[in-house]
Amino acid sequence: DAGVTQSPTHLIKTRGQQVTLRCSPISGHKSVSWYQQVLGQGPQFIFQYYEKEERGRGNFPDRFSARQFPNYSSELNVNALLLGDSALYLCASSHSGGGNIQYFGAGTRLSVL
Amino acid sequence: GESVGLHLPTLSVQEGDNSIINCAYSNSASDYFIWYKQESGKGPQFIIDIRSNMDKRQGQRVTVLLNKTVKHLSLQIAATQPGDSAVYFCAENPTYNNNDMRFGAGTRLTVKP
Repeated sequence: DAGVTQSPTHLIKTRGQQVTLRCSPISGHKSVSWYQQVLGQGPQFIFQYYEKEERGRGNFPDRFSARQFPNYSSELNVNALLLGDSALYLCASSHSGGGNIQYFGAGTRLSVL
Repeated sequence: GESVGLHLPTLSVQEGDNSIINCAYSNSASDYFIWYKQESGKGPQFIIDIRSNMDKRQGQRVTVLLNKTVKHLSLQIAATQPGDSAVYFCAENPTYNNNDMRFGAGTRLTVKP
């Protein structure tokens, strides 16, 4: 079975631009969470969607938004990019909405110049 | 866990020795914990989990110990192999209703052949 897939793998943007990252969960998983991982640190929670509704939101500005589609795939959007948004963006899927194993994709490496 | 930015705690062991990686978590209400392994250029990989109603759980070559009194987790790896070299993160789930996992700073394990 395919694991969590993310696209693109790498992305280079300039300050002020907008970016959309995509994630396909493991088949049968209904929850998708997004994390930001800055070099040398652990992942930080951005959003969780479960059954197409927002279940949780981390401490990130409104420039960050996400959605989940009927097939449970998800997109993360970041507007007005800042240099500090450069990071590895990870998507994780899980079977249910809370308190269970999350399986991560390989991530999208975003560089903002 | 304490964030140390780019200066990850490190642990270096000889191949075949046992490894113990420690983690302090922050929220006494957390009831679910996961250890992840992250290799360079990859997303975090699930190793083992434990719920707060347990104090020990064993997997293949790995054991997780939970001490709720002092809010401490440890991961023991038996007969450490070169393929175990990676950064290890503990993560806590402070809110059972969602998948907001709080990650520690990570420990870099290096296995010397």
